[in-house]
Amino acid sequence: EVQLVESGGGSVKPGGSLRVSCAASGFTFNNAWMTWVRQAPGKGLEWLGRIKSDSHGGTTHYAAPVKGRFTISRDDSKNTLYLQMNSLTTEDTALYYCTIVEAAATLAHWGQGTLVTVSS
Amino acid sequence: QSVLTQPPSVSAAPGQRVTISCSGSSSNIGDNYVSWYQQLPGTAPKLVIYNNNKRPSGIPDRFSGSKSGTSATLDITGLQTGDEADYYCGAWDSSLIAGVFGGGTKLTVL
Repeated sequence: EVQLVESGGGSVKPGGSLRVSCAASGFTFNNAWMTWVRQAPGKGLEWLGRIKSDSHGGTTHYAAPVKGRFTISRDDSKNTLYLQMNSLTTEDTALYYCTIVEAAATLAHWGQGTLVTVSS
Repeated sequence: QSVLTQPPSVSAAPGQRVTISCSGSSSNIGDNYVSWYQQLPGTAPKLVIYNNNKRPSGIPDRFSGSKSGTSATLDITGLQTGDEADYYCGAWDSSLIAGVFGGGTKLTVL
């Protein structure tokens, strides 16, 4: 069974940094392309970025609002996806989901999310 | 402001049919496949349609999708109270080189 378990969320002050993780199991993680999506309270889904598998170069792409502040990485030896978030603002308060990308950018499986709150 | 445009809400009675639209442009829907996601209250989104019109295993055939040009639609027939949820369309945008979503549509089953 595919499982994605996000962790590492919490409260951080504006300007601070936080790294959230996504532990994957039930599929061949090193072959998977992965994506982070967030959802601010009461708002819609926002695509943040994607990382390809190492066999496809491990290339990353980011949405404009987070480019230069957020970094997606992976540790295939630990079956874990990461999202490093820097220069956080109150606008980054959201539930952060990791997802598996299948063909044609389909987000086939989602974790339960980890909540990040940016507040002074 | 979402890249893809959806109506904020739709409603219909149990047993009826509802259609949710998703409008985009040549760089996203016009050039790539569309997916649809169902988000029940308090839960993570779940894929219900991919590649415009395919259903993942376990999704009932009451859910169907279609695409024409730069628009897509999600149809749900035989509505049940358990279908009440937010529905999001999504696609890859070849110009932005990023994924994009619609703003979401809240389905109410009256």
